[in-house]
Amino acid sequence: EAGVVQSPRYKIIEKKQPVAFWCNPISGHNTLYWYRQNLGQGPELLIRYENEEAVDDSQLPKDRFSAERLKGVDSTLKIQPAELGDSAVYLCASSLDPPGLAGSGDTQYFGPGTRLTVL
Amino acid sequence: SQELEQSPQSLIVQEGKNLTINCTSSKTLYGLYWYKQKYGEGLIFLMMLQKGGEEKSHEKITAKLDEKKQQSSLHITASQPSHAGIYLCGAASNTGNQFYFGTGTSLTVIP
Repeated sequence: EAGVVQSPRYKIIEKKQPVAFWCNPISGHNTLYWYRQNLGQGPELLIRYENEEAVDDSQLPKDRFSAERLKGVDSTLKIQPAELGDSAVYLCASSLDPPGLAGSGDTQYFGPGTRLTVL
Repeated sequence: SQELEQSPQSLIVQEGKNLTINCTSSKTLYGLYWYKQKYGEGLIFLMMLQKGGEEKSHEKITAKLDEKKQQSSLHITASQPSHAGIYLCGAASNTGNQFYFGTGTSLTVIP
């Protein structure tokens, strides 16, 4: 079974340019997460989807970041315009169930990430 | 908000040595996950602990969740170069609405 797929793996852009990341979760996983990971730090949640609904986007900088999950499967994360401080690895993860439920259904499986460099 | 602090921040050990990584929460844990990350790659799920006092092992890695459910430890026995990477603990908030990661522990194993 395929894992979480992300593309592109690497992206280099100049500041003020737009950029988009794509994620295809594990088949059947209803919950999808986007994280940002800065060098030397743990991942920080940007947004979480339950099917097509964004249920937690409190950490998403809404002035420049947007995300969508049409039809509750694939998701895209967009930055427009990008700033120097946006350079990071953007990770996508999916799970069968939302976090906090008993059992192992909320275990998150991660994609390889997209490394963004803003010049 | 919940905070997960890991110690040590980094660890360099000789191959064959045992080591322990700790993850301490500011609040009661309702589920604790351990992940491993190699540089430039995504996170790989290692194991999950839910009950106080629970202990799980996989190959040479053992994780424990203390009785009070505010601290977890990850122990590697007879470390190998393949164990090198960044170890991250993660947990859901008590409301289940958010998920947090620890600060990470970078492990280097010298052959």
